Amino acid sequence: DTAVSQTPKYLVTQMGNDKSIKCEQNLGHDTMYWYKQDSKKFLKIMFSYNNKELIINETVPNRFSPKSPDKAHLNLHINSLELGDSAVYFCASSQEAAIQETQYFGPGTRLLVL
Amino acid sequence: SQQGEEDPQALSIQEGENATMNCSYKTSINNLQWYRQNSGRGLVHLILIRSNEREKHSGRLRVTLDTSKKSSSLLITASRAADTASYFCATPPGGAQKLVFGQGTRLTINP
Repeated sequence: DTAVSQTPKYLVTQMGNDKSIKCEQNLGHDTMYWYKQDSKKFLKIMFSYNNKELIINETVPNRFSPKSPDKAHLNLHINSLELGDSAVYFCASSQEAAIQETQYFGPGTRLLVL
Repeated sequence: SQQGEEDPQALSIQEGENATMNCSYKTSINNLQWYRQNSGRGLVHLILIRSNEREKHSGRLRVTLDTSKKSSSLLITASRAADTASYFCATPPGGAQKLVFGQGTRLTINP
């Protein structure tokens, strides 16, 4: 009955590999997000989707490609992984894309690129 | 550069004491939100204060907003060990359809 779930929880991989992280929300929300949290705890938005449509792309390298098959899912595919991609990636959702909406976060995916 | 910056970066107090964290931001905002992150977990929304509000309470939490100084504070009264976490403020800068988070205040409550 987890509201926002992510898989996998941990991901250790070699530089140059391609990997995907999956996110699902069962809150019936229209908007979903991907955030990256670096080692200094700085949390930065990467993408935002509203009803399967991309609405925010924060100048993320095009090695990162989000995909939303339906409004309950937002997956993140990363090509040609680099050392600097090591971070914790959080998925979140909100009822609408409005800026006064509360965001609900998943537990995070800890990615380590070796 | 960051929209929101928390101060202090780290705070350690005894259980039962009050904890105060501050957040400063740069551009005009519609609202300001506070989130908590326990170690190894995702963020949890605590409270939202709108730009036309000066103070808001939720249980042991009290948030103030001073738009003239572009700053907010989060007060946790009668702290408990379970309050140990990082606390983040988040704002939508200049009406943008996104939240920008600060780097957080790491709060440690000592028993």
